[in-house]
Amino acid sequence: DQQVKQNSPSLSVQEGRISILNCDYTNSMFDYFLWYKKYPAEGPTFLISISSIKDKNEDGRFTVFLNKSAKHLSLHIVPSQPGDSAVYFCAARTINAGNNRKLIWGLGTSLAVNP
Amino acid sequence: SAVISQKPSRDICQRGTSLTIQCQVDSQVTMMFWYRQQPGQSLTLIATANQGSEATYESGFVIDKFPISRPNLTFSTLTVSNMSPEDSSIYLCSVRAGGNTEAFFGQGTRLTVV
Repeated sequence: DQQVKQNSPSLSVQEGRISILNCDYTNSMFDYFLWYKKYPAEGPTFLISISSIKDKNEDGRFTVFLNKSAKHLSLHIVPSQPGDSAVYFCAARTINAGNNRKLIWGLGTSLAVNP
Repeated sequence: SAVISQKPSRDICQRGTSLTIQCQVDSQVTMMFWYRQQPGQSLTLIATANQGSEATYESGFVIDKFPISRPNLTFSTLTVSNMSPEDSSIYLCSVRAGGNTEAFFGQGTRLTVV
């Protein structure tokens, strides 16, 4: 059962416009949500995170919104640039046995920003 | 930040053989993590490798199949043993930043078992 869901496998936007990537989760025990960016032949790179007690976190062109009642978060990229073209993963952090934190990952959304 | 070098970047292996993947970090870290991403699937944590102790495996992963070494604070290996085509995946190592979150990943090892 997928606890973190990214229902859109791909997204295409025009340069300069807003990119909105969505993520839904089913477990209320997650305490942090994270977004990673992945280019081909590279490992994921941490992008931005949000605590479960907040509803918004902003870092430059990237903003993450959290709606706890809907168990939904989204990543907004404004303005989108061709260099943003990558696969974006949503991940949720949970406390594992022995107080170890563990990340549960979505399947990823491939973003293409067209010039 | 941390720079992680992972080797090999890709390999094609015969079924029944074993492959050892190396992960080298440019700084000392307490915990290193090994992930697998099967085709069309999300990243799945295999195990956590602590220096000086046995690795901690997640449900569905066992030491006989995925033995891990962690000889010092900058290096770890993951071995995929007795491989079958179902082991064809991308394998990634990762380390955490100070905030207890995996922030740095190696570039991954793309394994194909034929």
